[in-house]
Amino acid sequence: SAVISQKPSRDICQRGTSLTIQCQVDSQVTMMFWYRQQPGQSLTLIATANQGSEATYESGFVIDKFPISRPNLTFSTLTVSNMSPEDSSIYLCSVGTGYSNQPQHFGDGTRLSIL
Amino acid sequence: QQQVKQSPQSLIVQKGGISIINCAYENTAFDYFPWYQQFPGKGPALLIAIRPDVSEKKEGRFTISFNKSAKQFSLHIMDSQPGDSATYFCAARVLSEKLVFGKGTKLTVNP
Repeated sequence: SAVISQKPSRDICQRGTSLTIQCQVDSQVTMMFWYRQQPGQSLTLIATANQGSEATYESGFVIDKFPISRPNLTFSTLTVSNMSPEDSSIYLCSVGTGYSNQPQHFGDGTRLSIL
Repeated sequence: QQQVKQSPQSLIVQKGGISIINCAYENTAFDYFPWYQQFPGKGPALLIAIRPDVSEKKEGRFTISFNKSAKQFSLHIMDSQPGDSATYFCAARVLSEKLVFGKGTKLTVNP
């Protein structure tokens, strides 16, 4: 399975600032996903990022707040903009092949706390 | 229709016992059903997955049972061990679209 590295692994940020989270994969992948997971909760999909196209955002998430880049088949970034305490969460990168019978794998996430 | 309902929310099992986690869905277009295991501080790791044309899939101590007519699937962990203590998520997907996750089950296996 793909090895997914996320940076930073955790951060504490001030209200009103922005943070960019990086996701690096050790192989080329078609689909990359960004999830948010509140402590003790399930995973909520923020957006799907395919190389060469604009990211597709889920209901409740907007590009101005969570801009995403996908410059190539092994890398993506998620920026959390103008952060507030409500953005404190775990942000997870996930990758998939896009084929129906192929699994989707996750990185270990970025633990973000907003003061 | 896109929901996956998971139960129980938490489960305590004695070492050597059987852990059973259940999930139900409504969307009959779902065609891929994975289970993920998540330890504290880690991302979810794929544990086992099944397609709806199969009623059961077994990998070691982990078995998925799938009931297409009832639109239900379950994870059975045989001979549960303290190292199995984690949060388990069921999920479902239509073709290459997004995964829909259940709310998770926190499993505690007592020694």
